Amino acid sequence: GAVVSQHPSRVICKSGTSVKIECRSLDFQATTMFWYRQFPKQSLMLMATSNEGSKATYEQGVEKDKFLINHASLTLSTLTVTSAHPEDSSFYICSASGGPTYEQYFGPGTRLTVT
Amino acid sequence: AQRVTQPEKLLSVFKGAPVELKCNYSYSGSPELFWYVQYSRQRLQLLLRHISRESIKGFTADLNKGETSFHLKKPFAQEEDSAMYYCAHRDDTDKLIFGTGTRLQVFP
Repeated sequence: GAVVSQHPSRVICKSGTSVKIECRSLDFQATTMFWYRQFPKQSLMLMATSNEGSKATYEQGVEKDKFLINHASLTLSTLTVTSAHPEDSSFYICSASGGPTYEQYFGPGTRLTVT
Repeated sequence: AQRVTQPEKLLSVFKGAPVELKCNYSYSGSPELFWYVQYSRQRLQLLLRHISRESIKGFTADLNKGETSFHLKKPFAQEEDSAMYYCAHRDDTDKLIFGTGTRLQVFP
């Protein structure tokens, strides 16, 4: 149980285009979803926290107009990287939590490459 | 500010040797601490949490409030233990604050 999926697993896009990444909790209802960014050989950096049906809370330094987060249902959150630039290339990881322990279950990540 | 520190980027040991991955935290209240593991090409997964005082895959971690530490230990390392290990603290808003991670390499 407690499986989180991400789609796509990897994506290559051209500079200036937008990319949408989906995060789904497959077998539980996720009241909260988190989006992280991981640079090569570095730790996970929390970008934003989203609760179902409400606006996401962004961490300091993360541009909310660039990284649009939608959490429309208890099983789906999306991250849209708008007007992507090469510096947005990274590994994006989502996690979902729900239930009494609030444990976070992590998705497999999405590798974004902007050319 | 709440912070989690993992001083070692890389720890290399031979199979059968004891392992200790260090983690220190800065938090004035009662911390809620976790160890996560990320095997090569796999997702991050929870290894253990301090409140359950469990032993998973032979790993244990004891919270030492006096030293503000939560070091991960295993008496006899195995090759399959090679992975990235992250110490994390859950803050008052349920966000996880991760350390920078330690890569454990276990040589045969």
